Amino acid sequence: AQSVTQPDIHITVSEGASLELRCNYSYGATPYLFWYVQSPGQGLQLLLKYFSGDTLVQGIKGFEAEFKRSQSSFNLRKPSVHWSDAAEYFCAVVSIKAAGNKLTFGGGTRVLVKP
Amino acid sequence: DTGVSQNPRHKITKRGQNVTFRCDPISEHNRLYWYRQTLGQGPEFLTYFQNEAQLEKSRLLSDRFSAERPKGSFSTLEIQRTEQGDSAMYLCASSPITASSYNEQFFGPGTRLTVL
Repeated sequence: AQSVTQPDIHITVSEGASLELRCNYSYGATPYLFWYVQSPGQGLQLLLKYFSGDTLVQGIKGFEAEFKRSQSSFNLRKPSVHWSDAAEYFCAVVSIKAAGNKLTFGGGTRVLVKP
Repeated sequence: DTGVSQNPRHKITKRGQNVTFRCDPISEHNRLYWYRQTLGQGPEFLTYFQNEAQLEKSRLLSDRFSAERPKGSFSTLEIQRTEQGDSAMYLCASSPITASSYNEQFFGPGTRLTVL
């Protein structure tokens, strides 16, 4: 069964600094990978996804992520963080072999932004 | 269309009571999913519907849980005889079905359940 690990539970970053969130997955084939953001009182919003092709994918809000098959990783990055980026971030994987496209999520990383 | 909606947004109940949550998906989305998110964890899949048919249930969905999607539109999730361990955020998502191998799921704001 597939699994997703986000090693960092909390990250604190200063506004304007760069941000990198780690994600490692376990999956038998090429996975479909996602990053979601969840702000307080809000639902999950899709930031970006990787299916195939170029391993560097661009998303909304200035985020990007890089798929590295050799490291089973899909890390999320942002060059310059804004105070509004304070939220919880989830990495997820889909098993396209199984019916239903159900998502398997990591435990999440909470990002705090210092002024 | 304003997206996936869930009601109520918050529910506080006493242990042993029954609760029911409602999810209204995006119009014409054939698939509807329920996930549960406990504090400090990522969401976990509970069940999904394709139109009115419930096609898969996680082993997390005990006998006290039942979900329905009559007429393939809105869905309800009922928890009978609630326990403190049921306290969580219950998320609903919907997606269309297309020829693509994956169709994006759109999430609602969730229903936060607190069992006292």
